[in-house]
Amino acid sequence: AQSVTQLDSQVPVFEEAPVELRCNYSSSVSVYLFWYVQYPNQGLQLLLKYLSGSTLVKGINGFEAEFNKSQTSFHLRKPSVHISDTAEYFCAVSATGTASKLTFGTGTRLQVTL
Amino acid sequence: EAQVTQNPRYLITVTGKKLTVTCSQNMNHEYMSWYRQDPGLGLRQIYYSMNVEVTDKGDVPEGYKVSRKEKRNFPLILESPSPNQTSLYFCACRFVDNNSPLHFGNGTRLTVT
Repeated sequence: AQSVTQLDSQVPVFEEAPVELRCNYSSSVSVYLFWYVQYPNQGLQLLLKYLSGSTLVKGINGFEAEFNKSQTSFHLRKPSVHISDTAEYFCAVSATGTASKLTFGTGTRLQVTL
Repeated sequence: EAQVTQNPRYLITVTGKKLTVTCSQNMNHEYMSWYRQDPGLGLRQIYYSMNVEVTDKGDVPEGYKVSRKEKRNFPLILESPSPNQTSLYFCACRFVDNNSPLHFGNGTRLTVT
């Protein structure tokens, strides 16, 4: 079974500052990794995903994440945040293969202020 | 437009009164799933379906039922709701390959008094 840990429940940051949201996972097999974003009163939408290949993955809205197998991490970064990035961010993991389920972390609320 | 449509968006009910939350998708996805979202717990899977007439329990199935009679619809049924089922519910779908992203509905906020 897989598990995901998002240690930071909330991350406050000023507009135009860089941000990193941390995600660590646990799995005994190869994994796919995802970041989803949830804006207020909406469902989740995919930000980016790592399936294989290059460990640096670029997503929508200027976000990127780096897969680090030795540290079992998949941290999300953005060099300069905007007020509109205020949302809840979820890291998720699944084992490779058709029947594996997606396990979500508990989420990190990113609060961007002026 | 690709959509996952949940109804209703908000529902307040009383303990024991059966209810159904509907979910419909127009993307021809084989896989559909229900999640509940609670503060500090993230999203937990209730039930999922790999295709028509195939359903399986997720992590928190107690008190819920589902059915998958058609590919596009995946209703969530609470036969006898209780206050601990007060939560935000999401339906999601994707192609059967689990490297394809989940598409989520906008959620149903359920309050059971």
